[in-house]
Amino acid sequence: QSALTQPPSASGSPGQSVTISCTGTSSDVGGYDFVSWYQHRPGKAPKLVICDVSKRPSGVPDRFSGSKSGNTASLTVSGLQAEDEADYYCSSYAGSNNYVVFGGGTKLTVL
Amino acid sequence: QITLKESGPTLVKPTQTLTLTCTFSGFSLSSGVGVGWIRQPPGKALEWLALIFWDDDKRYSPSLKTRLTITKGTSKNQVVLTIINMDPVDTATYYCARRGTSSSGLDSWGQGTLVTVSS
Repeated sequence: QSALTQPPSASGSPGQSVTISCTGTSSDVGGYDFVSWYQHRPGKAPKLVICDVSKRPSGVPDRFSGSKSGNTASLTVSGLQAEDEADYYCSSYAGSNNYVVFGGGTKLTVL
Repeated sequence: QITLKESGPTLVKPTQTLTLTCTFSGFSLSSGVGVGWIRQPPGKALEWLALIFWDDDKRYSPSLKTRLTITKGTSKNQVVLTIINMDPVDTATYYCARRGTSSSGLDSWGQGTLVTVSS
């Protein structure tokens, strides 16, 4: 069982928006603004799409956005494109002992 | 251009020790930078294992801490992960990744290497 809880699947049609949640505790997501999101396509290396809750690394389309409320972080993908179909993982800093925890992953399907 | 590449055995026997090397280029393990290891068992989620910072500060997954050792390699552009007492449940694709200075995320990843544990 993963430390952070994500829905196993999400879907949307091209052009639509979809939001993926990531629920933790006050010891990780809720306690720090150090949530990251990764896009993972089969056979490829994971790619950082959001860091520090809402920052977009260089080269990541502005269709990707992140937010946090309490112990739950969210990734929103707007204007869905076929290329966005992938597994998405959240992670959070979890203090000096646990350090980093991942979510169980969400498979995003573009219908 | 930043690249990272994992290398090591593809098959190990139960109870053996696994040694993986991450060889990187395009950056140095200098102030603020870290290199970490993450794994993904087939069909399962990513699991964070360990990270080493430029100043030799090391962090480990609590659940695997007794079996993991992360060190800088003999070359300045290498980081080594050792896992003792391997078990079939450790079968996974192992990734190394860079933690840069501009954020807390892992901003560059290797392609991963599949390690199978079987007798």
